[in-house]
Amino acid sequence: DAGVIQSPRHEVTEMGQEVTLRCKPISGHDYLFWYRQTMMRGLELLIYFNNNVPIDDSGMPEDRFSAKMPNASFSTLKIQPSEPRDSAVYFCASRGTSYEQYFGPGTRLTVT
Amino acid sequence: DAKTTQPPSMDCAEGRAANLPCNHSTISGNEYVYWYRQIHSQGPQYIIHGLKNNETNEMASLIITEDRKSSTLILPHATLRDTAVYYCIVTPGAGSYQLTFGKGTKLSVIP
Repeated sequence: DAGVIQSPRHEVTEMGQEVTLRCKPISGHDYLFWYRQTMMRGLELLIYFNNNVPIDDSGMPEDRFSAKMPNASFSTLKIQPSEPRDSAVYFCASRGTSYEQYFGPGTRLTVT
Repeated sequence: DAKTTQPPSMDCAEGRAANLPCNHSTISGNEYVYWYRQIHSQGPQYIIHGLKNNETNEMASLIITEDRKSSTLILPHATLRDTAVYYCIVTPGAGSYQLTFGKGTKLSVIP
């Protein structure tokens, strides 16, 4: 099993640009989670999906952030326009029938 | 309001047991205690969880006090690879849909 796959692993962009982060969950998992980690705020849940449907997006910071899950094997987190304060490590996690969430390696985003 | 309180850092000698405490004095009857850890630059990793009974798996043991107001994660024989930030999380139900990570305990295993 390849685990949760995230791409890109590193992204550097300029303020105002659109950024798209991608996630492939573990096959067969029906829950998908997006988290953000910063030194100031720690690890925060942004949004999670069940069977491709967004269940709770209360953690999404503002309208510049959007997430989609068009099918069971792919999800995106988009930031448009990006700002320097969006710089963080973004993690995707998935969960199946067991109790544990499996996290991906993360995408380190730097907005200059 | 923080649901859990953990010491910010701890040291443990390699080969010895690491005992990581967590206070969750406001835990409700339907809330589970989960432990995750995050090794530097990696995504968090699930360790163990429990409701009220002590639990053990291949990675660790979880001891929950009878009043459920605190718990201890035990790594029986710590290795250098166990150096990480350990998070104690209280969450309703066994589903762990929404994990709220606090600051955790930075465990340093010393050779």
